[in-house]
Amino acid sequence: SQQGEEDPQALSIQEGENATMNCSYKTSINNLQWYRQNSGRGLVHLILIRSNEREKHSGRLRVTLDTSKKSSSLLITASRAADTASYFCATANAGNNRKLIWGLGTSLAVNP
Amino acid sequence: DVKVTQSSRYLVKRTGEKVFLECVQDMDHENMFWYRQDPGLGLRLIYFSYDVKMKEKGDIPEGYSVSREKKERFSLILESASTNQTSMYLCASSFLGAVNEKLFFGSGTQLSVL
Repeated sequence: SQQGEEDPQALSIQEGENATMNCSYKTSINNLQWYRQNSGRGLVHLILIRSNEREKHSGRLRVTLDTSKKSSSLLITASRAADTASYFCATANAGNNRKLIWGLGTSLAVNP
Repeated sequence: DVKVTQSSRYLVKRTGEKVFLECVQDMDHENMFWYRQDPGLGLRLIYFSYDVKMKEKGDIPEGYSVSREKKERFSLILESASTNQTSMYLCASSFLGAVNEKLFFGSGTQLSVL
């Protein structure tokens, strides 16, 4: 069953702007991950944040996690046309460590 | 560079055919997964395997079977393909100690069943 829900479903910005997308989930988690998928291709892991962490950075990516609100956000700073892709969050639920629960994704278009 | 390779990028099959989707990883990963991805439904887990000859059903195993005879290869089998199995199929792998951390995905197989 899907538990992650990304918001917004679609986002269109200009190159150089920042892009923020959000993910909400329903149950207690061990970790939350963000993946990118270019059109018609496989997914690429971007970043993982554990339930005891609040913020994590990787290059131009910043992820926050608020376990009290059961939500996470992914910020891409100084976006580039190459960032155009779909972004998915996935949660590893506490107590069931064999399966990831996936959201439906945010489609990001970065216009040159 | 780590690699998960799916044998076909596009595949067209007829209803009732037996279909084999192959996936090979070169990272010595213990865990391997098969997902299907459909618009509006996201990624859904079909089967996964945490060791050679071991398999567990995912959320939508009906109509599918899997085979893992060697550590690096995980095959998805559609016993009798149906039109509702038209989809993008994604294979993934991960380390044993990180079954739900950092999955590596193949490029996907877009299967059309006519």
